[in-house]
Amino acid sequence: GAVVSQHPSWVICKSGTSVKIECRSLDFQATTMFWYRQFPKQSLMLMATSNEGSKATYEQGVEKDKFLINHASLTLSTLTVTSAHPEDSSFYICSAGRTYGSYEQYFGPGTRLTVT
Amino acid sequence: GNSVTQMEGPVTLSEEAFLTINCTYTATGYPSLFWYVQYPGEGLQLLLKATKADDKGSNKGFEATYRKETTSFHLEKGSVQVSDSAVYFCALSDQNNFNKFYFGSGTKLNVKP
Repeated sequence: GAVVSQHPSWVICKSGTSVKIECRSLDFQATTMFWYRQFPKQSLMLMATSNEGSKATYEQGVEKDKFLINHASLTLSTLTVTSAHPEDSSFYICSAGRTYGSYEQYFGPGTRLTVT
Repeated sequence: GNSVTQMEGPVTLSEEAFLTINCTYTATGYPSLFWYVQYPGEGLQLLLKATKADDKGSNKGFEATYRKETTSFHLEKGSVQVSDSAVYFCALSDQNNFNKFYFGSGTKLNVKP
């Protein structure tokens, strides 16, 4: 199968601190990973496209200095929420596509961030 | 551009009822189409997919047919169970743009015993 993991699954942090979320493809290599944000009872909003070895491409309206994305290897991408505020509280989901073969995306289980 | 429109919920059905969740799309190329399911507090799970026109995706009693002429990918199940209660997302992937996904707004399904 194709498994994507996220860590942590749930995190609470204080306002003004930074939080790092990891996304790993466990049994395949992923040249491209995506980061989504999901508000309660709403759909997924694409935040950015993360390509291994290059800078991430952010969607319009997403602050790249606030949501730092690093894709250092073919199996790991990280999202760092800097100087978090309560309005950043949300469910963050990553997805990854295989390097070869199907272009299907595999989604991680999500990370729930609560900023107090 | 690319977009997905699906029927608003919630949809409430009794167990063993027939389910249809409508989904239509707009795409510039030839997208792949997907249905994902999300259970409370969890991430998205792929339910089924179709990669070209007239393909039928099916899984766990659910099915959907890729209709290019009507740009639709409606989800159906003949007999729903309480365990099918979840939020269902229709999505398309743009193979010409890093396989970016475009999601519909999601439809919550409540199945009552």
